[in-house]
Amino acid sequence: QVTLKESGPALVKPTETLTLTCTVSGFSLNNARMGVAWIRQPPGKALEWLARIFSNDVKSYSTSLKNRLTISKDPSKSQVVLTMTNVDPLDTARYYCVRTDYDPTWFDAWGQGILVTVSS
Amino acid sequence: QPVLTQPPSESGTPGQRVTISCSGSSSNIGSYYVYWYQQVPGMAPKLLIYGNDQRPSGVPDRFSGSKFGTSASLAINGLRSGDEADYYCATWDDSLSGVVFGRGTKVTVL
Repeated sequence: QVTLKESGPALVKPTETLTLTCTVSGFSLNNARMGVAWIRQPPGKALEWLARIFSNDVKSYSTSLKNRLTISKDPSKSQVVLTMTNVDPLDTARYYCVRTDYDPTWFDAWGQGILVTVSS
Repeated sequence: QPVLTQPPSESGTPGQRVTISCSGSSSNIGSYYVYWYQQVPGMAPKLLIYGNDQRPSGVPDRFSGSKFGTSASLAINGLRSGDEADYYCATWDDSLSGVVFGRGTKVTVL
């Protein structure tokens, strides 16, 4: 059974750096066809793709956020980490960790998401 | 302005057919596969349609997808109360070098 679980702070202050961790099970981050993406959803709003890391460590970022995002993985811990610098209240959202593959729009397994609020 | 345009809402009575449109451009829908995701209130999204018109295992054949040019659509036949959800189209966009989602369409069963 494939599962993904997000962890991190529920509340961060403006200008701080947000670090989110995704712990996966049921598949390997070294699997040649597998990747992990982060997608967020502000309350009551649409989904927004943030970043992706593939098994060969190739990374892709949202054009609008790439200067603030870093994605990395530690296969030995089955974890993918997303950091976002200089957060703003507009970054308040539920952040989802998602399994993907060669087609970057393929998201077949989702974590439950973690709600992150940016507020002073 | 959203890259992919969806109507904010659609509705129908049980048993009816509902169609959701998703309009894009040559840099996204016109060049890549379209995916559809269903998000039931309070839950994470779920893959509903991939590769324009393919259903993952377990998705009822009441759901069907199609694509023509720079537009795509999702049809729900035999509408049921359990189909009440937000539906998002998604694809890759060359101009943005990333995945783009529509703003979502809320389907209500009257």
